[in-house]
Amino acid sequence: GENVEQHPSTLSVQEGDSAVIKCTYSDSASNYFPWYKQELGKRPQLIIDIRSNVGEKKDQRIAVTLNKTAKHFSLHITETQPEDSAVYFCAAADSSYKLIFGSGTRLLVRP
Amino acid sequence: DAGITQSPRHKVTETGTPVTLRCHQTENHRYMYWYRQDPGHGLRLIHYSYGVKDTDKGEVSDGYSVSRSKTEDFLLTLESATSSQTSVYFCAISESSQPQHFGDGTRLSIL
Repeated sequence: GENVEQHPSTLSVQEGDSAVIKCTYSDSASNYFPWYKQELGKRPQLIIDIRSNVGEKKDQRIAVTLNKTAKHFSLHITETQPEDSAVYFCAAADSSYKLIFGSGTRLLVRP
Repeated sequence: DAGITQSPRHKVTETGTPVTLRCHQTENHRYMYWYRQDPGHGLRLIHYSYGVKDTDKGEVSDGYSVSRSKTEDFLLTLESATSSQTSVYFCAISESSQPQHFGDGTRLSIL
């Protein structure tokens, strides 16, 4: 079955700097890759997703890149702000829509 | 917010007792999912449903059963709760190839 690995487990950046979180997946049949943000005690919320027919997607300060050959995808947050502090999860799914999640990255943005 | 209601939000019970968690949606989405979230493991899929009376197992289904008798309700049952099932449980919904959206979670403690 699918296995998703996520790095780093914790990331601390200065406000205004960029943050990059990386994930690798094992199943070449996976074709959908969402990213979720979870604040303490809250639900995971979708922030961006990408499908395997595109290599990059942007939404304001957030971008995701996908390398199907290497089976890895990354989340890029530019101009980080304190409110970006949260746990971020990547996930992968094939056509069954069953998400397999990474173990999460705790991002701390220092003011 | 997606129309998802989980109940109860918090529950404390004893080992060996049966427990049922409810997920109710008002979106008329076809797919419903149950996940558990534990430190260091991200979110792991327990069971999911792709229609009324249509369910299948996820990554960590042992000790859990589900039922979906109506589109809007997806029940997760722990027949005989164990301490290892202490966790935060999230329900999610989606429609075919659309992203999954999560409920607010149920914090379950088994003593």
